Amino acid sequence: GAVVSQHPSRVICKSGTSVKIECRSLDFQATTMFWYRQFPKQSLMLMATSNEGSKATYEQGVEKDKFLINHASLTLSTLTVTSAHPEDSSFYICSARDRKRGYGYTFGSGTRLTVV
Amino acid sequence: GIQVEQSPPDLILQEGANSTLRCNFSDSVNNLQWFHQNPWGQLINLFYIPSGTKQNGRLSATTVATERYSLLYISSSQTTDSGVYFCAVDYNNNDMRFGAGTRLTVKP
Repeated sequence: GAVVSQHPSRVICKSGTSVKIECRSLDFQATTMFWYRQFPKQSLMLMATSNEGSKATYEQGVEKDKFLINHASLTLSTLTVTSAHPEDSSFYICSARDRKRGYGYTFGSGTRLTVV
Repeated sequence: GIQVEQSPPDLILQEGANSTLRCNFSDSVNNLQWFHQNPWGQLINLFYIPSGTKQNGRLSATTVATERYSLLYISSSQTTDSGVYFCAVDYNNNDMRFGAGTRLTVKP
């Protein structure tokens, strides 16, 4: 089946620094990838849709200058949390769909970000 | 946007018991999936089920698209079934929207 790899799985950074998270589709090409955020004991909330070769589409309330998304190839999307603050600490998960094979959405294993 | 409601929010079972989790959605959907989130946060896809019935071992799921609901059945529950179960729907063929989840605890 479709496999999505996410890296790193866990990161701790200092307040004010930037962190990059990678999401790769390993065995299929994805023109669109999705980034979600999950706070403790809450559901997953869609942050943005990453489009290969064009600008990402952000959900209402998500700061596009803070959460930079780059989708430079058909297998890689990156999310950069810029000038991170403790309130950005969360679980970030990406997903993609192998439309050619008709599978549902597959999710990466997530990145737990802690800003200290 | 589409509303996705899951019930119950919390469920505590004794090992060996059966359970039914429900997902209601407010609009027609192209895709519906059930996920299990383990204690490490990983989302495990259980079923891709926009309609009909599927079974996989002790788990089965039914989606009645015309009535806008889906059910996840867990039989002979085990402690390893504990975690959060999410229903997610794709209504515009472009992204998944999640329900709030059902937190299942199976006690030995």
